[in-house]
Amino acid sequence: AQKITQTQPGMFVQEKEAVTLDCTYDTSDPSYGLFWYKQPSSGEMIFLIYQGSYDQQNATEGRYSLNFQKARKSANLVISASQLGDSAMYFCAMREGLADTGNQFYFGTGTSLTVIP
Amino acid sequence: DAGVIQSPRHEVTEMGQEVTLRCKPISGHNSLFWYRQTMMRGLELLIYFNNNVPIDDSGMPEDRFSAKMPNASFSTLKIQPSEPRDSAVYFCASSGGQNYGYTFGSGTRLTVV
Repeated sequence: AQKITQTQPGMFVQEKEAVTLDCTYDTSDPSYGLFWYKQPSSGEMIFLIYQGSYDQQNATEGRYSLNFQKARKSANLVISASQLGDSAMYFCAMREGLADTGNQFYFGTGTSLTVIP
Repeated sequence: DAGVIQSPRHEVTEMGQEVTLRCKPISGHNSLFWYRQTMMRGLELLIYFNNNVPIDDSGMPEDRFSAKMPNASFSTLKIQPSEPRDSAVYFCASSGGQNYGYTFGSGTRLTVV
């Protein structure tokens, strides 16, 4: 089974609107971390936001928030007030274990977001 | 904090040549990961190291690929001989210390002609 599933290959959003990028995950480890990365056309991978499996509240970082629904094993990224610079590929990732045990990340296939002026 | 440093940024080589990609992780990070990214296969983990020791190299495509981490501040990924299907962006990432997540390098765009 896929550890991380992103079902939206491509998404479009109007500038200034909010958009939700879906991510579901699969793990039997009670301790894990969930991450979102942005990859603009320039190619670099930029860390956006992190959610730990025991965190009680949804993570937020500026215009980014993570809608964490543990029972459904989903970790959707919400981008509020979209900007043209948000056009990029977005990857959801998971790391099992919470301490830095050196475990690998599992990445989804990504969602390409295009912000329309 | 200079981040994860990869070199070269771009590499164009002829089929059959040896290619060496280099990575300097963030100081204090004890885990290092090599990924390959292509349009067809997305991000693939090739190999990763903990405390300079290779932990999982099951993602290395074949014997033409090898990776080393002789010390905590340097790692190489070598392809010998290179083939056109090796053309991809190769990312190095490190983690450790207070940073539980990955920090990626800028990547090396490899083109084998």
